[in-house]
Amino acid sequence: GAGVSQSPRYKVAKRGQDVALRCDPISGHVSLFWYQQALGQGPEFLTYFQNEAQLDKSGLPSDRFFAERPEGSVSTLKIQRTQQEDSAVYLCASSFRRLAGEREQFFGPGTRLTVL
Amino acid sequence: GESVGLHLPTLSVQEGDNSIINCAYSNSASDYFIWYKQESGKGPQFIIDIRSNMDKRQGQRVTVLLNKTVKHLSLQIAATQPGDSAVYFCAEKGDSGGSNYKLTFGKGTLLTVNP
Repeated sequence: GAGVSQSPRYKVAKRGQDVALRCDPISGHVSLFWYQQALGQGPEFLTYFQNEAQLDKSGLPSDRFFAERPEGSVSTLKIQRTQQEDSAVYLCASSFRRLAGEREQFFGPGTRLTVL
Repeated sequence: GESVGLHLPTLSVQEGDNSIINCAYSNSASDYFIWYKQESGKGPQFIIDIRSNMDKRQGQRVTVLLNKTVKHLSLQIAATQPGDSAVYFCAEKGDSGGSNYKLTFGKGTLLTVNP
């Protein structure tokens, strides 16, 4: 497909479980972003990759959150020992940065995580 | 389906009317602004953007106005259609310096178009 894809689309976890959320960015896109969107709120930045390098992880809420992009394409957001406050939609976005500074980030459909 | 519209400001218009959605931003150093549309169960979709050296930009049926003096952004949708029903977010980003990749989103407005 031509867009950003994410899997699973829905995930229900029991409190304390570990989860892994996958993002497949648009082919050739250098930059990849993860956002967290709570119900009724705008997305909030979690972390940013340029190729395989994680350049900014300042938005990760705690050390239970970990993201990786080992080969500079697919990325995984892992949440350990999930808590109820982790329930949210997790959005992935990618962009192709050129010298002129293309600014558009293309978003995937998100993964809705519900922690019981 | 899921609803991302709970507890959001809402705007209800009749099909064919013009819609105006407003946004106040916080960072006077931001020099790039984007409007996104988010339908239920989907990720945000780019609508239109504007740089801080402009005060108006037009697209197809949409116009964005920027007032830097009062840090206010608006999105105007002409001849609103039922397919325009969604949550609309403004987002800001710095264009230089350390975090020029990071988008900061506003709260969002739920637009409902009545046929």
